[in-house]
Amino acid sequence: SAVISQKPSRDICQRGTSLTIQCQVDSQVTMMFWYRQQPGQSLTLIATANQGSEATYESGFVIDKFPISRPNLTFSTLTVSNMSPEDSSIYLCSAQGSGNTIYFGEGSWLTVV
Amino acid sequence: AQTVTQSQPEMSVQEAETVTLSCTYDTSESNYYLFWYKQPPSRQMILVIRQEAYKQQNATENRFSVNFQKAAKSFSLKISDSQLGDTAMYFCAFSRDNYGQNFVFGPGTRLSVLP
Repeated sequence: SAVISQKPSRDICQRGTSLTIQCQVDSQVTMMFWYRQQPGQSLTLIATANQGSEATYESGFVIDKFPISRPNLTFSTLTVSNMSPEDSSIYLCSAQGSGNTIYFGEGSWLTVV
Repeated sequence: AQTVTQSQPEMSVQEAETVTLSCTYDTSESNYYLFWYKQPPSRQMILVIRQEAYKQQNATENRFSVNFQKAAKSFSLKISDSQLGDTAMYFCAFSRDNYGQNFVFGPGTRLSVLP
């Protein structure tokens, strides 16, 4: 299995600021992903974090708003830029572990005020 | 585009009883993967069970089993001998591959196990 740690687990942010969420996996993984889960809703894929190249974004998500880094096979960051209250969500990191199973972090709960 | 539907927003079951959560999906793919994930109040998404569409045999994991009906595009989850720790949101998910790409999640079913 893969253990995924996210920081921060929870934060309250001011409108117009940016916040970077870190995701650390305890083993090297090929695929890492970032999801958003808005209050009371399901998960929506933001992007696939590619090691050594630009992230692949899903429809409705753009790099200027959600820049992603993936410097190596165990770490990724997601920045939520110029935040507004609509960005208040849980942001989850996931990774493909052994046996092709997809594992998730515990999520980062952001509240924008 | 693939869609996943869970028609039961909330369900409850008495401890030790059996409950079935429904999931239907829509796809034109012939081979794909289906998953049930559990999200307890801790927010940690936990894989419950996985089914590969080309396998006719229904997957089972201890108290959890699925009823996979490929022609009907139905993938229900049965939880036997329900336990208080099963209380969680349950998400059905579809993927065209086994690598986490193109995951599509259903809206979720909130399951409460009552003592």
